[in-house]
Amino acid sequence: SQQGEEDPQALSIQEGENATMNCSYKTSINNLQWYRQNSGRGLVHLILIRSNEREKHSGRLRVTLDTSKKSSSLLITASRAADTASYFCATVYYGGSQGNLIFGKGTKLSVKP
Amino acid sequence: EAQVTQNPRYLITVTGKKLTVTCSQNMNHEYMSWYRQDPGLGLRQIYYSMNVEVTDKGDVPEGYKVSRKEKRNFPLILESPSPNQTSLYFCASSPPTDMNTEAFFGQGTRLTVV
Repeated sequence: SQQGEEDPQALSIQEGENATMNCSYKTSINNLQWYRQNSGRGLVHLILIRSNEREKHSGRLRVTLDTSKKSSSLLITASRAADTASYFCATVYYGGSQGNLIFGKGTKLSVKP
Repeated sequence: EAQVTQNPRYLITVTGKKLTVTCSQNMNHEYMSWYRQDPGLGLRQIYYSMNVEVTDKGDVPEGYKVSRKEKRNFPLILESPSPNQTSLYFCASSPPTDMNTEAFFGQGTRLTVV
């Protein structure tokens, strides 16, 4: 079954505001990744955080990882209309399918000008 | 240019007519995977491959076949397509996933089975 579950399913904000998306997962992981998808197009990698890391930054993106709670959050600061997209978390996890990349259902972000 | 190429991009077919969606990557990646995307369900994994001649089922393998005879290609085969396989399909590749590296995605194949 799908490893990650994003929350909320949809988020609508005004340009300039911050957007926070959460991801929960089920089993121990090697790393957690966030991807972005513009409508119906291929996924683009945003950021990867390893299981021994707690926080990572890339430009306007900030990702946190709490392995004790099996959760991660993606913060986009000072959002822009161009950030409108779907965002997915994906985990590489241990278990019966070690090293496999599993996605959640995604958060649809809408940033209004 | 490093890329994952899927073909075709769009396909309309009839129930029961065998089809193959090709996926090719030029990055010498070991790991390849197929996903289908449906509204409200996110990306669900169909099959994946850790290396040549090594394939395994994902969450929704029924009705699909794959092969990995060479590292660069990972075709998805629908032996007898049905309307419930109408979906947007993505192929992805990456170096061995324990190397903590990103995956690269193809542009997607939108399949309609009537």
